[in-house]
Amino acid sequence: SQTIHQWPATLVQPVGSPLSLECTVEGTSNPNLYWYRQAAGRGLQLLFYSVGIGQISSEVPQNLSASRPQDRQFILSSKKLLLSDSGFYLCAQQGAGEQYFGPGTRLTVT
Amino acid sequence: LAKTTQPISMDSYEGQEVNITCSHNNIATNDYITWYQQFPSQGPRFIIQGYKTKVTNEVASLFIPADRKSSTLSLPRVSLSDTAVYYCLVEPNTNAGKSTFGDGTTLTVKP
Repeated sequence: SQTIHQWPATLVQPVGSPLSLECTVEGTSNPNLYWYRQAAGRGLQLLFYSVGIGQISSEVPQNLSASRPQDRQFILSSKKLLLSDSGFYLCAQQGAGEQYFGPGTRLTVT
Repeated sequence: LAKTTQPISMDSYEGQEVNITCSHNNIATNDYITWYQQFPSQGPRFIIQGYKTKVTNEVASLFIPADRKSSTLSLPRVSLSDTAVYYCLVEPNTNAGKSTFGDGTTLTVKP
């Protein structure tokens, strides 16, 4: 079965500081991976998806970036956070007809 | 990706059947309809998926008319723990799908 780990669980960062969120998956090889962001009371916004190591597609232009250094590792980064980057960040893995989500990281930019 | 439209919110009482309808007029031939449930501060969880007619599992039923331009998620005898946001997605059932989650339907179950 698929297991997705995300850390940290919560994070409070000042505006202008860097960001690194990590996602690791277990249970499958060469998974399609996704980063979503969810603002309070809203749906999920797809940020990045990856079909393999080093292969990243961006869905929304912004100050965030993603990398996939290993098959089962997906990293979301920023060099300088904005207030608008606050939200709930979810990593997901594509399964057979459905997506499996990690526990998420709650980011507050102050 | 086909656009979906769902009610923003619904209220119900414990023990009642809840039906949430999703409109997807531009559904493509190779699209499937998938519903997810999300509790606060958790990631969405798969509930049910279908292509046409009716699908039933241990938690819900999914009704899809012949034209497939809408679908209805049916939750039998809801409890307080069914209070959550429910998302309807329409997308190809491939391993490279990019899901579009709208704002979903917030279901509130009252005692």
